[in-house]
Amino acid sequence: AQTVTQSQPEMSVQEAETVTLSCTYDTSESDYYLFWYKQPPSRQMILVIRQEAYKQQNATENRFSVNFQKAAKSFSLKISDSQLGDAAMYFCAYRSASYSGTYKYIFGTGTRLKVLA
Amino acid sequence: DGGITQSPKYLFRKEGQNVTLSCEQNLNHDAMYWYRQDPGQGLRLIYYSQIVNDFQKGDIAEGYSVSREKKESFPLTVTSAQKNPTAFYLCASSIVWVGRIYEQYFGPGTRLTVT
Repeated sequence: AQTVTQSQPEMSVQEAETVTLSCTYDTSESDYYLFWYKQPPSRQMILVIRQEAYKQQNATENRFSVNFQKAAKSFSLKISDSQLGDAAMYFCAYRSASYSGTYKYIFGTGTRLKVLA
Repeated sequence: DGGITQSPKYLFRKEGQNVTLSCEQNLNHDAMYWYRQDPGQGLRLIYYSQIVNDFQKGDIAEGYSVSREKKESFPLTVTSAQKNPTAFYLCASSIVWVGRIYEQYFGPGTRLTVT
């Protein structure tokens, strides 16, 4: 079974600085998708970024980028120029690309990011 | 605007009562999901459905039941058999399309408190 691990329960970053959130996963599959979701205090889950495992190029979305290391099964999120609005829980998620029947998304336990003014 | 609605935002029930949480989507998504969120435990999958009239148990289905009579709706019933029902419940949906995986879209959630 696949698992997703976020080893940092909480992180802090100074406004305008850069922070990296860690995520590792375990799978025997070669084709899958990885996601980072943000959950602000409103608790509305928002997609931050997605990565397709067959693509070697790291995904980027404005100030958000990932470092995808397939061999190491690592998928870290880098937030540049941190803003107060980035303060939230961040969840890493895995989804198999297999069409054998399962449509499950597997989530990590989350990292709470605090942004200091 | 397309999206997922969950109602109500806050729900209070007495122990021993069944309660049904609503989830409606107008995104024309085939797949729908229910998650439970507790502090420090991330999102845990309760049930999911890929098509109408079909659904599968997730990792923590005991004490819960669902139905999928319409594509747009996926209500979750928390029964009296659920030992610790107080939690935040999230509904999600996604496109099902051979050839590509799509992200999940989430509703705003329902906070259920059972006393």
